[in-house]
Amino acid sequence: EAQVTQNPRYLITVTGKKLTVTCSQNMNHEYMSWYRQDPGLGLRQIYYSMNVEVTDKGDVPEGYKVSRKEKRNFPLILESPSPNQTSLYFCASSHGGASYLYNEQFFGPGTRLTVL
Amino acid sequence: LAKTTQPISMDSYEGQEVNITCSHNNIATNDYITWYQQFPSQGPRFIIQGYKTKVTNEVASLFIPADRKSSTLSLPRVSLSDTAVYYCLVHTGGTSYGKLTFGQGTILTVHP
Repeated sequence: EAQVTQNPRYLITVTGKKLTVTCSQNMNHEYMSWYRQDPGLGLRQIYYSMNVEVTDKGDVPEGYKVSRKEKRNFPLILESPSPNQTSLYFCASSHGGASYLYNEQFFGPGTRLTVL
Repeated sequence: LAKTTQPISMDSYEGQEVNITCSHNNIATNDYITWYQQFPSQGPRFIIQGYKTKVTNEVASLFIPADRKSSTLSLPRVSLSDTAVYYCLVHTGGTSYGKLTFGQGTILTVHP
């Protein structure tokens, strides 16, 4: 089954304790992206990756890191989480090819993070 | 990136047609328009995408006027299960696809 998976789905942690949220897709997509969703603010892009070893900032990259060493994986790293990073996080992927037909994004189920 | 403006919320009744309009006055020549649907605590799901005129698929239609400064998502004969948030997204197509900005979305509530 074609899908985007995220782990963990729920996480409660404390300020300053480094954490990683994993994202994996099995559709051989070139493009991957991370979003956070907060009440009243909609979806905001954190980082995106056009391909392996190519990453770039979205609208809200502060406090986050990403890496794209393999095509299928795009982990989100919080080196020193703070309470303002409490949010619902979504990973997404798409073909990212030359035709707009390939730009449908497939989203993961979400990771609900609470930083105390 | 073109900024999008949508109504914050809309109400409808089962069986009615719903039209949600998105304004994107500074859309660029290479930009495409995509709509997503999101249910609570789930990731958004692609509905439809277009560049100009009209696009139709099995769930919705997308109307884009000649000036492309707005677009309208049309949901025929909605049901209770269509209650969701709908996002209009304007983005560059092709190899420039990268940074994406979702708007606030429109909360559609379908009543019995």
